Amino acid sequence: GESVGLHLPTLSVQEGDNSIINCAYSNSASDYFIWYKQESGKGPQFIIDIRSNMDKRQGQRVTVLLNKTVKHLSLQIAATQPGDSAVYFCAENRNSGYSTLTFGKGTMLLVSP
Amino acid sequence: EAGVAQSPRYKIIEKRQSVAFWCNPISGHATLYWYQQILGQGPKLLIQFQNNGVVDDSQLPKDRFSAERLKGVDSTLKIQPAKLEDSAVYLCASSSYVGTQVTGELFFGEGSRLTVL
Repeated sequence: GESVGLHLPTLSVQEGDNSIINCAYSNSASDYFIWYKQESGKGPQFIIDIRSNMDKRQGQRVTVLLNKTVKHLSLQIAATQPGDSAVYFCAENRNSGYSTLTFGKGTMLLVSP
Repeated sequence: EAGVAQSPRYKIIEKRQSVAFWCNPISGHATLYWYQQILGQGPKLLIQFQNNGVVDDSQLPKDRFSAERLKGVDSTLKIQPAKLEDSAVYLCASSSYVGTQVTGELFFGEGSRLTVL
């Protein structure tokens, strides 16, 4: 299930389940979005990206969906594995004359064997 | 390909002391970023360089934070004097794109964890 932790929303799933992590972004002018995975003690690691002229993009075991109408982004992880346990951040490119990525607050994914 | 290198990994100082962090980006990457990540939050951009010029430093507390990127390669981030609320992980990232269009990912270092007592 999904719950709100001390700082981060947490999603707990069983190994093999599909996971869906959601993100609401704020700027309707944002034109590029990236999902990052951050393991404890490490820097964020790129997972998948999507441009605003697309509504879906698939990678290996991951799919990103973009709904510009409601400014919503989701990351779907198929057949979740214990190694997927981490904090997941969405980031949006707020193109205001130059490009810079702004990160959301993150969701912790906990995968139980 | 070597990744983004940062040092030190950990630093503990007392408030009002100073500290400096160093970052070596991936070779050839023109754009370098410093992010501050407070525990339980997403990274917040402090400063963005393209080559050795500053693109965005709007969220850098300039009364105590400074950053430079001499020769468009390595970068240092300095805090003087430090406050308790500066306790965070300072992440350096680099990317190969320049200009106004994001064309790819940011590559992050492992970060420098600062504790201010």
